[in-house]
Amino acid sequence: DVKVTQSSRYLVKRTGEKVFLECVQDMDHENMFWYRQDPGLGLRLIYFSYDVKMKEKGDIPEGYSVSREKKERFSLILESASTNQTSMYLCASTLTGRAYEQYFGPGTRLTVT
Amino acid sequence: GEDVEQSLFLSVREGDSSVINCTYTDSSSTYLYWYKQEPGAGLQLLTYIFSNMDMKQDQRLTVLLNKKDKHLSLRIADTQTGDSAIYFCAEREEGGGNKLTFGTGTQLKVEL
Repeated sequence: DVKVTQSSRYLVKRTGEKVFLECVQDMDHENMFWYRQDPGLGLRLIYFSYDVKMKEKGDIPEGYSVSREKKERFSLILESASTNQTSMYLCASTLTGRAYEQYFGPGTRLTVT
Repeated sequence: GEDVEQSLFLSVREGDSSVINCTYTDSSSTYLYWYKQEPGAGLQLLTYIFSNMDMKQDQRLTVLLNKKDKHLSLRIADTQTGDSAIYFCAEREEGGGNKLTFGTGTQLKVEL
């Protein structure tokens, strides 16, 4: 079974803090994604990566950066957290060519106060 | 850019059929998907349909695709309380690589 894990289920941070969200997958997937989920807006793609050290902006990259130093790990970084970044963050991974199967982690509920 | 729309809520009685609808704007979509999100969990793939198909059936699930109207639906027969979840449709556009565009999600509530 593919497993995608995220470092925290719940996180509370203060405005201006630097925040790291970690995602690890154990199935040697090339592609990894970070989404945020907000009620009424669905899932919106923040960044994705199709290989180690490669990254591409998604639909809402402002205020975020990412890091992919190892194939199994994809990190989302909030350089200076703001209250409008309070959200559910979901990580996903997939093999190249098998875009019909994105495997998701359980999500991190981030609250910025 | 691509746009995928769904109604936000649907309430049905246990044992009835549920129909969740989705409209999309990108005519070059190659695959369309339905994902399910149970409370406190990530998304799980339920089923998918290739754009040259009209219908796909998988046990209690029936997917209908009207490519002309860019309309996708998911019918759940004999809906159970365990089907209560958020359902997302998603599309993969031609040449879009491995990216998916997700809809807004439909919260399905199954009442006894």
